[in-house]
Amino acid sequence: QKEVEQNSGPLSVPEGAIASLNCTYSDRGSQSFFWYRQYSGKSPELKMSIYSNGDKEDGRFTAQLNKASQYVSLLIRDSQPSDSATYLCAVNDNYGQNFVFGPGTRLSVLP
Amino acid sequence: DAMVIQNPRYQVTQFGKPVTLSCSQTLNHNVMYWYQQKSSQAPKLLFHYYDKDFNNEADTPDNFQSRRPNTSFCFLDIRSPGLGDAAMYLCATSREEQDPFFGPGTRLTVL
Repeated sequence: QKEVEQNSGPLSVPEGAIASLNCTYSDRGSQSFFWYRQYSGKSPELKMSIYSNGDKEDGRFTAQLNKASQYVSLLIRDSQPSDSATYLCAVNDNYGQNFVFGPGTRLSVLP
Repeated sequence: DAMVIQNPRYQVTQFGKPVTLSCSQTLNHNVMYWYQQKSSQAPKLLFHYYDKDFNNEADTPDNFQSRRPNTSFCFLDIRSPGLGDAAMYLCATSREEQDPFFGPGTRLTVL
């Protein structure tokens, strides 16, 4: 059974601070890794995707992947209240059809 | 704009009364997914279509059925809704091996 684990939170950070969200996965064959943001009552929207070891930056967001440790993280610099949401980690297998989501981490950025 | 549309956005049904949720897309994606998401939980994949090929998750109850009459449309049929089926139902689409793009969801209430 493929599993994706995240701390459920809530994770509270002050405005302007760095928020660090973590995710571990069980399937060593996983090839693609995603972070989705989901506001309350809304559907998930893709924030970041990462496919190879290392860091990938997009504005204030940085995704980090370490396949040896089966670990993927999302860093949010200069956190804003508008970043407050649930962040879902998702992992995809070799065949591209079996997305597995983690339970999500609820982030609260305090003004 | 290319998009994923779900109808209705809110559906109320009675215990045991069949209900059909619909999803349409203008993205011309060949993969379509149905997810169930309950409060504070990760989206759970019910089934997906890779083109016309139907793929049912092992733990999806028989109460849930799906149809994909053409590339653009996909339906979720719940034959005899129970109270435990109350959830947000998310339709998503993708090209193979790419990240799913989610529709706005249908929130189902079972009375």
